[in-house]
Amino acid sequence: DGGITQSPKYLFRKEGQNVTLSCEQNLNHDAMYWYRQDPGQGLRLIYYSQIVNDFQKGDIAEGYSVSREKKESFPLTVTSAQKNPTAFYLCASSPGFLQNIQYFGAGTRLSVL
Amino acid sequence: DAKTTQPPSMDCAEGRAANLPCNHSTISGNEYVYWYRQIHSQGPQYIIHGLKNNETNEMASLIITEDRKSSTLILPHATLRDTAVYYCIVRVAGGANSKLTFGKGITLSVRP
Repeated sequence: DGGITQSPKYLFRKEGQNVTLSCEQNLNHDAMYWYRQDPGQGLRLIYYSQIVNDFQKGDIAEGYSVSREKKESFPLTVTSAQKNPTAFYLCASSPGFLQNIQYFGAGTRLSVL
Repeated sequence: DAKTTQPPSMDCAEGRAANLPCNHSTISGNEYVYWYRQIHSQGPQYIIHGLKNNETNEMASLIITEDRKSSTLILPHATLRDTAVYYCIVRVAGGANSKLTFGKGITLSVRP
């Protein structure tokens, strides 16, 4: 059963804490993406990776970090520098050159305690 | 990337066709039209895309005007499960810097 798995579904962060959101895909896709969605808004790109061991900043990378050590995994860390982290986070992947056809996970909803 | 304009919302009756419009008057010759939808609290789902010819798949049909300045996504027999936000995106195909820009989309409400 191929797809993208995001975990956890809900996450709570304390002030000053770093938290890591997991994203795993078994679609053998080269490219992976992280988006942030605020209530009633569209998606904004945080980071993307075209290939293993390479990633690029998106539009709102400040306060976030990523790694891409394996093709199937693209974890996102929300650092304490991100002052407004409460949002719905979505991970996506796409197959090589057809990068506008992206497949999304179910999302992680992050809240601040 | 060409900018798209969608009305904020529309509704239709269950079983009827839902026609969702999108304006993209500044579209370039090599830009495709993509449609995604997002059901509440889920990740977006790819629906269909096209360049200039009309396209149809198991989910929907895409009608692009001859001048390519606007398009319509058609859900032929809308069901309650089609209630979602629908995003129209214009983008060149592929490329090393493929960044989809999701605006606010159009909220489709299917009523019983």
